[in-house]
Amino acid sequence: DTEVTQTPKHLVMGMTNKKSLKCEQHMGHRAMYWYKQKAKKPPELMFVYSYEKLSINESVPSRFSPECPNSSLLNLHLHALQPEDSALYLCASSQGARRYTFGSGTRLTVV
Amino acid sequence: DQQVKQNSPSLSVQEGRISILNCDYTNSMFDYFLWYKKYPAEGPTFLISISSIKDKNEDGRFTVFLNKSAKHLSLHIVPSQPGDSAVYFCAAEISGTYKYIFGTGTRLKVLA
Repeated sequence: DTEVTQTPKHLVMGMTNKKSLKCEQHMGHRAMYWYKQKAKKPPELMFVYSYEKLSINESVPSRFSPECPNSSLLNLHLHALQPEDSALYLCASSQGARRYTFGSGTRLTVV
Repeated sequence: DQQVKQNSPSLSVQEGRISILNCDYTNSMFDYFLWYKKYPAEGPTFLISISSIKDKNEDGRFTVFLNKSAKHLSLHIVPSQPGDSAVYFCAAEISGTYKYIFGTGTRLKVLA
């Protein structure tokens, strides 16, 4: 298995909703990442987990809450989002700090 | 402050010809560079990488060149194929930081 699987592929949520994005990999990678990508912009790093511990938080607002329940799974919990948070959310994993494998992303729309 | 820049937002090339995508960076601490390709509705996929101890790395039709003094790297695709049409991102890392900085992307269109 050489894939990073993200669910759901699309999500529409209201500003008062609570939802979660899920990311799974079975490649034995010990680093996992959340990136956010707005239209016509590069992916921007949000969080890095290394060996299931949060190692980087790029000053992301607390309405985004990451969780790494085990070495294969990474969640992003969403609460009280704003319309400007609408974006493509990409999960990635890597063995060490090289060559990310990206998932296909979750297209999030906040209404 | 965009530390990694791709100044050409788009590029069109005839099938069979060479595609050259450029990337400039400002942080001299970057020592590892990668190129990713992205199709619509998919995540970026890794293409090729280069460490700062090298100035060239080749993999099939793809070659990456690094000019450290100019803080410039380029991706050459020869020969270009219609299936290469995608958005190409360069990315840079300071070793061990687990943190890639991506460029703004270049949309390549290979014309049949």
